[in-house]
Amino acid sequence: AQKVTQAQTEISVVEKEDVTLDCVYETRDTTYYLFWYKQPPSGELVFLIRRNSFDEQNEISGRYSWNFQKSTSSFNFTITASQVVDSAVYFCVHQGGQGAQKLVFGQGTRLTINP
Amino acid sequence: DGGITQSPKYLFRKEGQNVTLSCEQNLNHDAMYWYRQDPGQGLRLIYYSQIVNDFQKGDIAEGYSVSREKKESFPLTVTSAQKNPTAFYLCASSKLGLAGGTNTGELFFGEGSRLTVL
Repeated sequence: AQKVTQAQTEISVVEKEDVTLDCVYETRDTTYYLFWYKQPPSGELVFLIRRNSFDEQNEISGRYSWNFQKSTSSFNFTITASQVVDSAVYFCVHQGGQGAQKLVFGQGTRLTINP
Repeated sequence: DGGITQSPKYLFRKEGQNVTLSCEQNLNHDAMYWYRQDPGQGLRLIYYSQIVNDFQKGDIAEGYSVSREKKESFPLTVTSAQKNPTAFYLCASSKLGLAGGTNTGELFFGEGSRLTVL
């Protein structure tokens, strides 16, 4: 069965530090997608990125970057020059090849950026 | 603005009572979902619906019921049969089909409803 592990339950850093959130997954699917979502204090989850299993190219979006390594089943998320607004719970998510009903969420990492 | 609206934001219930959480979307999405979130845990799927008048059980459907009479609406009833209903409930919607091309596969979430059983 699919499983997503976010070993870091909570991370606290000072503003402007770089921080990496780890995500390791287990899957038997040959085709799958990986997502990162952000859950700010307001409660709703916000989509950040999707990666499919055939695309291992790393991606950068502003201060955010993602490192997908199929060989180690990892999909890590790095925030560069962190800001207080980055404080949130971040979820790594696996989607199997059968649509959104097969989403498996990690436990989430609570990131606190201190001024 | 397009989005998902959940109500109420906070709800208190006495043991033995049924409560209904509302979820409305104006994104014209076919698929809608209900998730439960407990402290320190990821989201778990309660029910989902891909089309009007049809819905499927998720991983933790026991003690819950849903209906999908309109495309825009997917209310969740937490029944007295649910043993531990205190939780944060999130509704979401998405386009149908697998992620690919212009369909990012992302879910759009509401701001959640926090249910507390007294």
